[in-house]
Amino acid sequence: DARVTQTPRHKVTEMGQEVTMRCQPILGHNTVFWYRQTMMQGLELLAYFRNRAPLDDSGMPKDRFSAEMPDATLATLKIQPSEPRDSAVYFCASGGGQTPSSPLHFGNGTRLTVT
Amino acid sequence: DQQVKQNSPSLSVQEGRISILNCDYTNSMFDYFLWYKKYPAEGPTFLISISSIKDKNEDGRFTVFLNKSAKHLSLHIVPSQPGDSAVYFCAASTGNQFYFGTGTSLTVIP
Repeated sequence: DARVTQTPRHKVTEMGQEVTMRCQPILGHNTVFWYRQTMMQGLELLAYFRNRAPLDDSGMPKDRFSAEMPDATLATLKIQPSEPRDSAVYFCASGGGQTPSSPLHFGNGTRLTVT
Repeated sequence: DQQVKQNSPSLSVQEGRISILNCDYTNSMFDYFLWYKKYPAEGPTFLISISSIKDKNEDGRFTVFLNKSAKHLSLHIVPSQPGDSAVYFCAASTGNQFYFGTGTSLTVIP
């Protein structure tokens, strides 16, 4: 059963430290999304890629967040420097079925705590 | 600006009764709507979807209704079961991006 894999599952770090979250999309999927779950905003879109090219990262704080896809099997989300307000669950999702609106498949998330 | 809204943060329903979860959207360009279900410590999983050219889609106990003129979407679960207790996210797509609501926590009471 193909699934999206995210690592680490949990990350606790101190303010100012760099955080890297990784995502392995489902093989063959050509879109990758990063979402952040917060109580107020629900699932907030941070960035998304199609065929490894970044198409929209307008949801990310540009000064501290960056998202990349070094290859088709790996997507990364980095925060440098991290701040307590970044504490949230970060989800990666991949898609790319027969139609552009084919459902996204989510990983189990990285729970980030910045102290 | 929240393009997809779920105004009820929580809902409690007796087992066997109908659960109705609601969702409103603002962008008339959305052409595909989806519902996701999320258990604690897991990622959201796809539940059911509907194209903007339809007004109803049914899959077992789950039915999604779309009212385009009102820009309103609802998910009906009947009969509700304790295993349905989860957070439900409504999502809308333009074909490129997926926009999610804030979620509704459903509790089905045995």
